[in-house]
Amino acid sequence: GAVVSQHPSRVICKSGTSVKIECRSLDFQATTMFWYRQFPKQSLMLMATSNEGSKATYEQGVEKDKFLINHASLTLSTLTVTSAHPEDSSFYICSARAGTSGGLTDTQYFGPGTRLTVL
Amino acid sequence: LAKTTQPISMDSYEGQEVNITCSHNNIATNDYITWYQQFPSQGPRFIIQGYKTKVTNEVASLFIPADRKSSTLSLPRVSLSDTAVYYCLVEGTNAGKSTFGDGTTLTVKP
Repeated sequence: GAVVSQHPSRVICKSGTSVKIECRSLDFQATTMFWYRQFPKQSLMLMATSNEGSKATYEQGVEKDKFLINHASLTLSTLTVTSAHPEDSSFYICSARAGTSGGLTDTQYFGPGTRLTVL
Repeated sequence: LAKTTQPISMDSYEGQEVNITCSHNNIATNDYITWYQQFPSQGPRFIIQGYKTKVTNEVASLFIPADRKSSTLSLPRVSLSDTAVYYCLVEGTNAGKSTFGDGTTLTVKP
């Protein structure tokens, strides 16, 4: 099956520093990747849609200058949280959309998530 | 984007069949329904996907009526390890984003 990895799985940083999270599709090419944020006991909130070779599309209320997204290849997207603050502490999850196959729509395959803690 | 509505929580016992229904009244013609399972501190895991009627795989069945305004995920003979949050998602062919609803927290008791 389609596998998506994220690195790191957990990161603790000081307030004001920047943190980069990588999302890779390991066995398929993904023209579209999504970044979500999930707070405790809540559902996933879409932050942005990332398309290979173009600028990311951000959801309303998500600061594009704070959450930098780069989708440089068909298998890699990165999310950089710049000048992180304690309120940015959350569980960040990426997904990669596989191509249409077997008559089904593009299916999202999710990474394992990255737990960010900002002190 | 099609909005989905699910029960917030459900309880069951080991060995029982569990049915979780999701409403998606404004589903579009090209949209599919996908169900995901999520354990704490993990990313969602694909369970099953369908367009209409019934789909079955090794872990679940998905029932979709003719009007496609709802869908039911059926988990046969659940075990304690099936305790998780289950999300239904409406996703469109060549579409962009999808919106997660609140999900259903299933608790399986011994």
